[in-house]
This record gives sequence, C-alpha cells and structure tokens, in this order.
Amino acid sequence: NAGVMQNPRHLVRRRGQEARLRCSPMKGHSHVYWYRQLPEEGLKFMVYLQKENIIDESGMPKERFSAEFPKEGPSILRIQQVVRGDSAAYFCASSPGQGAYGEQFFGPGTRLTVL
Amino acid sequence: GENVEQHPSTLSVQEGDSAVIKCTYSDSASNYFPWYKQELGKRPQLIIDIRSNVGEKKDQRIAVTLNKTAKHFSLHITETQPEDSAVYFCAARYGNNRLAFGKGNQVVVIP
Repeated sequence: NAGVMQNPRHLVRRRGQEARLRCSPMKGHSHVYWYRQLPEEGLKFMVYLQKENIIDESGMPKERFSAEFPKEGPSILRIQQVVRGDSAAYFCASSPGQGAYGEQFFGPGTRLTVL
Repeated sequence: GENVEQHPSTLSVQEGDSAVIKCTYSDSASNYFPWYKQELGKRPQLIIDIRSNVGEKKDQRIAVTLNKTAKHFSLHITETQPEDSAVYFCAARYGNNRLAFGKGNQVVVIP
C-alpha cells in the first residue's frame, strides 16, 4: 500500500511563472490537506478537500493560490505568478475520513524555490 | 484563535535519558492531538496521538499525556537513542479536521 505521493519533489520557478504541485492520497483515503512549511517553522494549514469539493480553504492566500481534487487523478495545488515569498516546502496529507478516522499521513513534500 | 505553542525549541539529552516536550493549545474544543517526527528533508511522520477522552497513551518508548483543564499535552521519550534525533511537532485539531502545528522542537540525542 503506497503512502501519500507528491510530485515533483523539487520545483524551481522564476518570479511570475506558475507552479503546479500534485498529490495522490493513500489508497482508500478520500480526504486531502495541503500545508506549507517555511524554513525552521511548523506546518501551516492551507486547504482541505474531498473529491470535487473544497471543504475548508481558510488558510489559502486570497490571491494566486488555488486547489482542486478532481473525481479522477491527483489533487493539484496551483500557484500563479509566483514570488520569492512562495519558496517553501508544500506538504500534502491524506486521511480516510474525519473524527475517529481523521489521522493525517503526510507525503514527502514538494520543495518550491522561486528565483 | 488556533494557536499551539511548543517548549523548549531545542532539547539535548544524553543517550539513554528521557526527553519531554510540552505543548499548549488555545481552543478548548480541540479533541485530537497528534505528534509528528520529522527528520531533515523528510516527511512528517505520525508517531503517536491522543484523543480528549483519555489522559495518557503509551507506545513502547513513547508516551503522550493530556491535561484538558490546563490545555496542555506532552510527549515523553524514554531510553533515548541516536535515531530519536529529529524535529518533533505537536498539533491540535480544530474545525473541519484541520491541524494547527507548533513550531517544532529539535531533539538532539548525544551518544
């Protein structure tokens, strides 16, 4: 049973370009979460999605950031017109459900560097 | 607000000694508190968690205690080994299953 998969593992973009980060949850998990980690900081919640639905996007910046989890395929975190402050590690987590089934398991992360 | 504080920021222990990390949280409605271990450049790994209907949980050398009245919980690692060296994050679950994380503790086990 493969764990949470993320790709690419490393992504370099120039200012103004777009970044697309992909996340495939663990088998049997239908809940996906995105977190951002700045150097020497904890993880900050960004967005929580289920298939075809955004459940909670209270941690998403108001502009340039969007996320989706389509019926088929991985979840995508999209950052438009990247700036240097977007440089961070972006982690995806998945869980089989909420409440008693809400344990979140993390992927290896995508390290985004904006030049 | 959703605030989780961790102390101390860095902890050095001699191999074989115990390590204790404490966290406090702000929202009394939180009912689930996981701990994650993150080695350099790796993913956070869930090592133990506790729910608000219990006060203590143990898994081999790792234990977590919860004091809901005081809104704090602690991670205890006994008989520390070099492979325990890592950054440890506590978290508290808030609405919609989202986790609020502390800033992490660097634990260094000295052989």
